[in-house]
Amino acid sequence: KNEVEQSPQNLTAQEGEFITINCSYSVGISALHWLQQHPGGGIVSLFMLSSGKKKHGRLIATINIQEKHSSLHITASHPRDSAVYICAVRLEANDMRFGAGTRLTVKP
Amino acid sequence: DVKVTQSSRYLVKRTGEKVFLECVQDMDHENMFWYRQDPGLGLRLIYFSYDVKMKEKGDIPEGYSVSREKKERFSLILESASTNQTSMYLCASRETNSIQYFGAGTRLSVL
Repeated sequence: KNEVEQSPQNLTAQEGEFITINCSYSVGISALHWLQQHPGGGIVSLFMLSSGKKKHGRLIATINIQEKHSSLHITASHPRDSAVYICAVRLEANDMRFGAGTRLTVKP
Repeated sequence: DVKVTQSSRYLVKRTGEKVFLECVQDMDHENMFWYRQDPGLGLRLIYFSYDVKMKEKGDIPEGYSVSREKKERFSLILESASTNQTSMYLCASRETNSIQYFGAGTRLSVL
């Protein structure tokens, strides 16, 4: 079983919809990252969080340490949000583990 | 502006060839990483380095080696490329306990 599980694997939404991507992990972590990968490969770090909630523009990330669960929300989704979103956890040994990613397609 | 640069975006090689993938970062980061990314499997760590001339095996080091002669450069070497090494290769760097910065990736095809 993968130490980091994401759901859903694929997600299609209409422009303007509110989107949620979930991440569950089974190991002790020091931080959790949400990454965005656009077609063509480049990966950008969206958030790094170890507790609570962070917001950047239309993106919101939350983490519940006790439940070992994090969510990434996108409000008022737009076609340019179409990408693969990857959840990654940094273990207490400073190693990182990655989820398989959620492929989001936002249609106009 | 933070930058991790991979030398090639696309590469096509023949089975048995020696392949070098180069990665350079301009942030003076101590830690550098090489991953491969395959559909459905996510990113898997091949090798990483915590300092110049230091290297550590990741989860899937077989068939690969690395070199870190200078702090800013981390090279991944496929000694004898095989078709099962066809993949997207991503380099990353970071300070300890900080955000990880990724290169644009190299899509390698081994024929």
